[in-house]
Amino acid sequence: SQQGEEDPQALSIQEGENATMNCSYKTSINNLQWYRQNSGRGLVHLILIRSNEREKHSGRLRVTLDTSKKSSSLLITASRAADTASYFCATDKNQAGTALIFGKGTTLSVSS
Amino acid sequence: NAGVMQNPRHLVRRRGQEARLRCSPMKGHSHVYWYRQLPEEGLKFMVYLQKENIIDESGMPKERFSAEFPKEGPSILRIQQVVRGDSAAYFCASSPDRSSGYTFGSGTRLTVV
Repeated sequence: SQQGEEDPQALSIQEGENATMNCSYKTSINNLQWYRQNSGRGLVHLILIRSNEREKHSGRLRVTLDTSKKSSSLLITASRAADTASYFCATDKNQAGTALIFGKGTTLSVSS
Repeated sequence: NAGVMQNPRHLVRRRGQEARLRCSPMKGHSHVYWYRQLPEEGLKFMVYLQKENIIDESGMPKERFSAEFPKEGPSILRIQQVVRGDSAAYFCASSPDRSSGYTFGSGTRLTVV
């Protein structure tokens, strides 16, 4: 079953603009992670935020987590053409012996 | 550290044949996960293994699919009697423990003709 749902499905912006992607999930979590996938490649881990954290930064990435609303957002500031990719959120259910469940992703296109 | 190695990168099988997909996790990683991805879709969880044990196979079809992660050697995802609907990209990932981020391989693209 799909745990996370990203919104929007697709996003097109110009270089230099900020990109915001949202993720909603259904059950309680241990942590939430964001991944990037370039076309035809494997996924790359971007950032992990634990259920007791509200915000986390990594370079041009900023992730927020609101466990009361069961939602997270990924902000990419000052986007570049190289940021063009699909972005997925993945949730780690608060349950032993389970693996990450991925959403369907947001496809980001950054034009120069 | 070579990362997660998957082979082959591309695999073509005729309907009814068997497909064997291999995954060598990162050094020091004992948790292995298999996912399937169809075009324009997200990853669907298939199976979670630790050395010699299947932890969660709730995403695996009950028939024709099996997975193992032996004490020595790579993890294997085996699909018997493949059908056209099995055509997809199959990704393997590994982690040092279940609460850490995953490292993914480049995937095996299976085409059933």
